[in-house]
Amino acid sequence: DQQVKQNSPSLSVQEGRISILNCDYTNSMFDYFLWYKKYPAEGPTFLISISSIKDKNEDGRFTVFLNKSAKHLSLHIVPSQPGDSAVYFCAASDRTSGSRLTFGEGTQLTVNP
Amino acid sequence: DGGITQSPKYLFRKEGQNVTLSCEQNLNHDAMYWYRQDPGQGLRLIYYSQIVNDFQKGDIAEGYSVSREKKESFPLTVTSAQKNPTAFYLCASGTRISGNTIYFGEGSWLTVV
Repeated sequence: DQQVKQNSPSLSVQEGRISILNCDYTNSMFDYFLWYKKYPAEGPTFLISISSIKDKNEDGRFTVFLNKSAKHLSLHIVPSQPGDSAVYFCAASDRTSGSRLTFGEGTQLTVNP
Repeated sequence: DGGITQSPKYLFRKEGQNVTLSCEQNLNHDAMYWYRQDPGQGLRLIYYSQIVNDFQKGDIAEGYSVSREKKESFPLTVTSAQKNPTAFYLCASGTRISGNTIYFGEGSWLTVV
């Protein structure tokens, strides 16, 4: 079963506007969440993470929000830039799995100039 | 330069042949991972190793084998038993110091011809 799900395969936004990427999870044991960015034919790069003891973490243009009751997290990018165009993966882990991550299917973000 | 090096970047294999993908890291990370990415899908865990001389199966280990004789190296062999080996293979590593964040190599494309 898919424990981490990204329901939107793609998202298109205008440069300068906000991009919101969503992720849902089903495993209530997950306590650490990450977002990775991936360009074609390259390895994913780590963007930002959040522990379950927080509900928000911010790093520059990137903010991750966690809603534990809804088992939902989102990544906000503002302002969006054309260079942000990539596939974004949500990932999660729990105390027992450590750094063994479970990934979502990814969302292709396209930022139009 | 510290990082994770995967080789080769592109590899073609004839049906029925085994092939080994190399992964080397000089980050002094304890844990290493192999993931597979197929078009439109997330990253699926093949094998992982938390310590030298020890490794565990991931979610899709059938048709694959690994070894962890050195901390720096975690080669993946795609055997002829793997029914659909054509994919993008990603190696990653992590350490307790980095929490549950793992870092990826550039990936290797394997095509069966």
